[in-house]
Parts: sequence; C-alpha cells; structure tokens
Amino acid sequence: DQQVKQNSPSLSVQEGRISILNCDYTNSMFDYFLWYKKYPAEGPTFLISISSIKDKNEDGRFTVFLNKSAKHLSLHIVPSQPGDSAVYFCAASAPRVGNEKLTFGTGTRLTIIP
Amino acid sequence: NAGVTQTPKFRVLKTGQSMTLLCAQDMNHEYMYWYRQDPGMGLRLIHYSVGEGTTAKGEVPDGYNVSRLKKQNFLLGLESAAPSQTSVYFCASSFGPSSYSNQPQHFGDGTRLSIL
Repeated sequence: DQQVKQNSPSLSVQEGRISILNCDYTNSMFDYFLWYKKYPAEGPTFLISISSIKDKNEDGRFTVFLNKSAKHLSLHIVPSQPGDSAVYFCAASAPRVGNEKLTFGTGTRLTIIP
Repeated sequence: NAGVTQTPKFRVLKTGQSMTLLCAQDMNHEYMYWYRQDPGMGLRLIHYSVGEGTTAKGEVPDGYNVSRLKKQNFLLGLESAAPSQTSVYFCASSFGPSSYSNQPQHFGDGTRLSIL
C-alpha cells in the first residue's frame, strides 16, 4: 500500500515558467514532509521541508505548500531553470508518534525545456 | 568533502552468492540508513541505525543483514543473493531524526546491483 503517492511520473515545463509537482499521502499520522531532488547516477539531495504546523515554506525559488485536510502537498519552482531537470521525490514521516522513518513517493521526472 | 561514500558502485552476482555493501560517512552522523530503489517503487528503507552498535529493521528487511561496528560505517550484507534483490541501493546518514529540518538525510551515489 503506497502511503505517499506521486501520481505524475513525468512533467515538462518551459524554462522561466512555474513547475508544480504534487504529492498525496494517506497516513494521517504523517506530520513532517520533505522534498528531495535526484540527478541520474547520483543520490537524492535534500531540497526543502515542511512540518504540519505550517502550510507554506519558502526557500529561494522553491516553495512547498501543505494542505492537511486534503492530505496533499505541492512543490512550486519559480522560475524553472534547465538545472532543475531531475527526478523529485516527496517523503513523509510521523515524528509525533515516534516514527522518524521516511516514506518516499515514487518520484516525478521534471524536464525543463529551454 | 566526501560526505557519504558507497562501495562498490556496480556489482553483478550470481544467485546464491553473498556480498557486503559498504557505506562510509565522514560527517560524524549518528543515524545511518540503507534504502533500495526499484522502478515504480520509490525508495524503500531496508535497515537503519541510530548509533554505533545499533541496528533496526525498516520496511523491507528480509534477505539482508546489517552491522554498525564503527560510527562512520554501515554495512549491508546479502547472505544468499536472489534475483529479486536486483536494485539500486542507497546509503544515507543524518545527524539526528528525519524531522530535524536542518539535519536532513545525506545520500551516497548508490550501488547498482544485478543478481543473475
């Protein structure tokens, strides 16, 4: 049972436009969420995180939005750049109930078109 | 600045053979993890360790063993390799629990393992 779902395997966006990557979760105990970025032949690298006490967190061009009632989070990249082309994984954990382990989604491959 | 180093990067095994994957980190992290990544499955946690001498099971531990004899090293062993263990294996480390926003997990570049 996939508790963290990324329903779009791929996404193509023009350079300079906004990229929106989506993630849904089913476990209501999850209260901490992260996004990782992965280039081919490299390990994932941490991008941004958000805890359930917030509904938005920004870091430069990257913003993560959390909608707890819908069990949905999204990553916005503005403006999109060619170097953003990668696979993006969302991940979730439930530290409030002692579950610090990360559960990852299946990833979305983002391609930025010059 | 090495970070997390995985050895080897590639390996081909025959069914029934054994091998050990090595993960080394130079960041003095307490927590270490082993994941596998399969097509359409994301990253799944195999085993993890919250400190030297400790290990715990993750989501998919069957067929694997681990050891954390030194703080900087986390070994993943396959005692009798099976084709279902063909995967890309990632090691990660972190200073503390995953919910510490300024202490995320740092990943190695992966080991691509094929079992024939």
